Amino acid sequence: GAVVSQHPSWVICKSGTSVKIECRSLDFQATTMFWYRQFPKQSLMLMATSNEGSKATYEQGVEKDKFLINHASLTLSTLTVTSAHPEDSSFYICSAPIAGGRNEQFFGPGTRLTVL
Amino acid sequence: EDKVVQSPLSLVVHEGDTVTLNCSYEVTNFRSLLWYKQEKKAPTFLFMLTSSGIEKKSGRLSSILDKKELFSILNITATQTGDSAVYLCAGTSQGGSEKLVFGKGTKLTVNP
Repeated sequence: GAVVSQHPSWVICKSGTSVKIECRSLDFQATTMFWYRQFPKQSLMLMATSNEGSKATYEQGVEKDKFLINHASLTLSTLTVTSAHPEDSSFYICSAPIAGGRNEQFFGPGTRLTVL
Repeated sequence: EDKVVQSPLSLVVHEGDTVTLNCSYEVTNFRSLLWYKQEKKAPTFLFMLTSSGIEKKSGRLSSILDKKELFSILNITATQTGDSAVYLCAGTSQGGSEKLVFGKGTKLTVNP
């Protein structure tokens, strides 16, 4: 199956700093990628849809100025958590669908963010 | 608002038991329902269902969709400890967006 990578796999940062998470599709092109957040014992909550060549679409309640998304190329999307707070500590996962309407999505391995 | 509801939220069984996980959905312009298995990290894909009544099977796992009742089940027969995980179902809608609406998941624990 298709491979999606994320970097870093875990990160610890101080409150107030910014953290960038990368999501790459390794063997296919992805015009769209999705960013999810998962708190402990909760399901995945969609944060935003990253669109190559245009602005990201954010879900209701997600601050676009806090969670900056840049879809730099057909294989790379980045999520930057700005001015991180302890409540931003979570597991962030990206996914990318295979083009062609198959609707099957491939998930990255996730990034564990801990904000001290 | 689209929603997906899974039940039970958690389940503890012994090796060799058969389990049935439930997923009901309310998704506007429904397109497909997907099942994922999540262990420590990101979800891994199990099944995608688009047609009613057609069972999909992979080893000891099988799943079926009922589009009239807006319902899907995931069956696991002869469970093993390695089946312990959170099982997520997600719905998608037609119309271009491929975003997934996830249920809260069922945490399955298989004891030896």
